[in-house]
Amino acid sequence: AQSVAQPEDQVNVAEGNPLTVKCTYSVSGNPYLFWYVQYPNRGLQFLLKYITGDNLVKGSYGFEAEFNKSQTSFHLKKPSALVSDSALYFCAVRVQIHSNYQLIWGAGTKLIIKP
Amino acid sequence: GAGVSQSPRYKVAKRGQDVALRCDPISGHVSLFWYQQALGQGPEFLTYFQNEAQLDKSGLPSDRFFAERPEGSVSTLKIQRTQQEDSAVYLCASSSGTGGAGNQPQHFGDGTRLSIL
Repeated sequence: AQSVAQPEDQVNVAEGNPLTVKCTYSVSGNPYLFWYVQYPNRGLQFLLKYITGDNLVKGSYGFEAEFNKSQTSFHLKKPSALVSDSALYFCAVRVQIHSNYQLIWGAGTKLIIKP
Repeated sequence: GAGVSQSPRYKVAKRGQDVALRCDPISGHVSLFWYQQALGQGPEFLTYFQNEAQLDKSGLPSDRFFAERPEGSVSTLKIQRTQQEDSAVYLCASSSGTGGAGNQPQHFGDGTRLSIL
């Protein structure tokens, strides 16, 4: 079955430290992978995507993600966390259902950055 | 505004009532998606429009759910005879891409929080 998993419900990081939010996937074919961020009572905002090419993808707000085909992972990273990065982060993967493409989403990881 | 706009932001209805949720996508965006997001969960796909055509409605949970986009712009998600399990945040997203979820990012509205009493 096609799926995406975010194994951590919550990640706590001290401000200034590097952060990693994990995502693994299971899809048929080449994956299209996305990261989005959600602030309280707001919709999701696009951070970055992997379609093809370089395994290290750079996105908004200093975030980057590394595509690892052998480990079927797409972890989100940032070298130095800010308190304002505290939010809910979602990983998504494109799947084909019958003749249409949809995104399926992880359950989300709450990122807490402590001053 | 330049973003996706959803209204109302909050809706409270009694079980059995019908509700209508509105989405104004980004101007010129061909694709429009509706999602349901339960508390503490990721979004779940409901339906997809390309212009006025509803190309995928495989995620609609029952025939009480109906969506339309008659002129290829504004969309309305209607839920008839609401049930308590319909309580959730309903998110709308638009994209400049075509063919469903493609390589173009989806731009989300802030959602409508629906509470069924």
